[in-house]
Amino acid sequence: DAKTTQPNSMESNEEEPVHLPCNHSTISGTDYIHWYRQLPSQGPEYVIHGLTSNVNNRMASLAIAEDRKSSTLILHRATLRDAAVYYCILPDNYGQNFVFGPGTRLSVLP
Amino acid sequence: KAGVTQTPRYLIKTRGQQVTLSCSPISGHRSVSWYQQTPGQGLQFLFEYFSETQRNKGNFPGRFSGRQFSNSRSEMNVSTLELGDSALYLCASSLVPGTGWQGDGYTFGSGTRLTVV
Repeated sequence: DAKTTQPNSMESNEEEPVHLPCNHSTISGTDYIHWYRQLPSQGPEYVIHGLTSNVNNRMASLAIAEDRKSSTLILHRATLRDAAVYYCILPDNYGQNFVFGPGTRLSVLP
Repeated sequence: KAGVTQTPRYLIKTRGQQVTLSCSPISGHRSVSWYQQTPGQGLQFLFEYFSETQRNKGNFPGRFSGRQFSNSRSEMNVSTLELGDSALYLCASSLVPGTGWQGDGYTFGSGTRLTVV
């Protein structure tokens, strides 16, 4: 079973920031939090990952709560190409592979 | 560098037949994982291979099998196809097992869309 909870869908206007939340209340101390996104007709692609500290890369920022029970993916300026399903993922109980939930479908309005 | 290549891109099979899907990982990546994606169940882990050995297997029937070759290329096979096997089958590669979820990330292919009629 998925270990994360995300809103089913969100909407954003183009060039505005987007904050995608994720709850993972059962996270263990060594679990990295990963975010992937899946554009239409493509496989998922890596966005960002983190353990405890906030992380930034060219695609996004990841803000992790102090108790690590939630995190937020931040797209600083949404573009139409950012319309996708965003998955917040933790490893399974054995730390061997990803357990995907339904993700958040992000729509970006022009 | 070339990405993960999955072939074929689309496939139509009849119930009861078997099918083989192929995945070529990114050069240098030695771990290959397979996922099934359906509208109802989402993305579900099938199995992972490393050094020609299956390391992990998801909760799928024995009709689903796979293998990995010495060049890290992987194939998955589904025998006695059922209508419910219609799905997008995704392959993901990473340098070695464990790094996929710890840090370096998995690289997914575009998938093989299998339709069973």
